[in-house]
Amino acid sequence: QSVLTQPSSASGTPGQRVTISCSGSTSNIGGNYVYWYRQFPGTAPRLLIYRNNQRPSGVPDRFSGSKSGTSASLAISGLRSEDEADYYCSTWDDSLTVLFGGGTKLTVL
Amino acid sequence: EVQLVESRGGVVKPGGSLTLSCAASGFSFSTYAMNWVRQVPGKGLEWVSSISSSSTYIYYADSVKGRFTVSRDNAKNSLYLQMNSLRAEDTAIYYCARDQFAMTAGYYYSGLDVWGQGTTVTVSS
Repeated sequence: QSVLTQPSSASGTPGQRVTISCSGSTSNIGGNYVYWYRQFPGTAPRLLIYRNNQRPSGVPDRFSGSKSGTSASLAISGLRSEDEADYYCSTWDDSLTVLFGGGTKLTVL
Repeated sequence: EVQLVESRGGVVKPGGSLTLSCAASGFSFSTYAMNWVRQVPGKGLEWVSSISSSSTYIYYADSVKGRFTVSRDNAKNSLYLQMNSLRAEDTAIYYCARDQFAMTAGYYYSGLDVWGQGTTVTVSS
């Protein structure tokens, strides 16, 4: 059971906007930046969002992140078939550990 | 090209030991914090350990504390993970990964922007 809670699955149709939530507590999300990763099967994860809402170079602006209190969200607009992947939220915890959410499997219908 | 390449993993008996290494190239290794993250196939990501650029700050997940030791050799651009007292539940793909922002002092999780290809460790009798 992960300290950061994500829905195990999410889905949408092409062109739709989908959001993935990540819930934590005051010791992690509440006081630290949130990061999002995307992982395709059989490959290493890729950083998608850093510092709550910043995109690394090369990440399309279809991807956006937000944080409010002890929760964060990843939004994907203009959903495409190639967005089908696993998505993980992550943050630092005041117990001096890095946390990952349990992951959300996104299906494009 | 910025790259991280993990050494080959292997099969180890319960209670055994194994050391993983990660060779870095294409960036100033000595100025970046590094991490180990593992993943049981078909399951989620689990952070294992972080080490600051100068090895001053080292952190471990509770699940490996006292059994695993992370270290680095900046002269050799290499990161290591010594794993002792291995258990079946340590079976996973192990990734080394770089913290996004260079930091010569202190430690601050800034997101992991470069990852190795992963190496498989199997603990089985």
